[in-house]
Amino acid sequence: SQQGEEDPQALSIQEGENATMNCSYKTSINNLQWYRQNSGRGLVHLILIRSNEREKHSGRLRVTLDTSKKSSSLLITASRAADTASYFCATAPGGGNKLTFGTGTQLKVEL
Amino acid sequence: DTEVTQTPKHLVMGMTNKKSLKCEQHMGHRAMYWYKQKAKKPPELMFVYSYEKLSINESVPSRFSPECPNSSLLNLHLHALQPEDSALYLCASSRRGEETQYFGPGTRLLVL
Repeated sequence: SQQGEEDPQALSIQEGENATMNCSYKTSINNLQWYRQNSGRGLVHLILIRSNEREKHSGRLRVTLDTSKKSSSLLITASRAADTASYFCATAPGGGNKLTFGTGTQLKVEL
Repeated sequence: DTEVTQTPKHLVMGMTNKKSLKCEQHMGHRAMYWYKQKAKKPPELMFVYSYEKLSINESVPSRFSPECPNSSLLNLHLHALQPEDSALYLCASSRRGEETQYFGPGTRLLVL
């Protein structure tokens, strides 16, 4: 069963704009991760935020976590065509290495 | 070597065939995973191996049979599959005690 719901399902923006995608989850977590998947290929880990963190940055990525609302957001600033991909949040309910992925957001960045 | 490799990239098989998917990593990771991903859906965990022992089986049908011959190699043996088993099969690995998983490029399987 899916732990996370993501919205929007799909997002289309122009290069240079910011992209924000949201993830909601159901159970308590120790951390939340974001992954990117290019067109039917493997997933690439982007960032991990722990339950005691509220915000984390990595390059053009900014992730927030609100454990009271069981939600997280991923912001990609100054988007590029190469950012076109599907983005998934992932949690391991109960800890451990059993990852459950959210439904995903398909991002398209147009030139 | 910082990557997970998977072979083959593509596989077409009939419902009576037996085939195997292979996954390899040389990062010293002691946990390895198989996921199944249908089009426009998130990956779903199938199996987890920890220190070459099967630790999680997500109620996967017996026509899928995992094997971990050593700490670098993970196989998924396929037999008598159904057309609905057509999907992208992803392998991943992770370091002991760490949550981040490293994924291979996947094998795209088509069952006719």
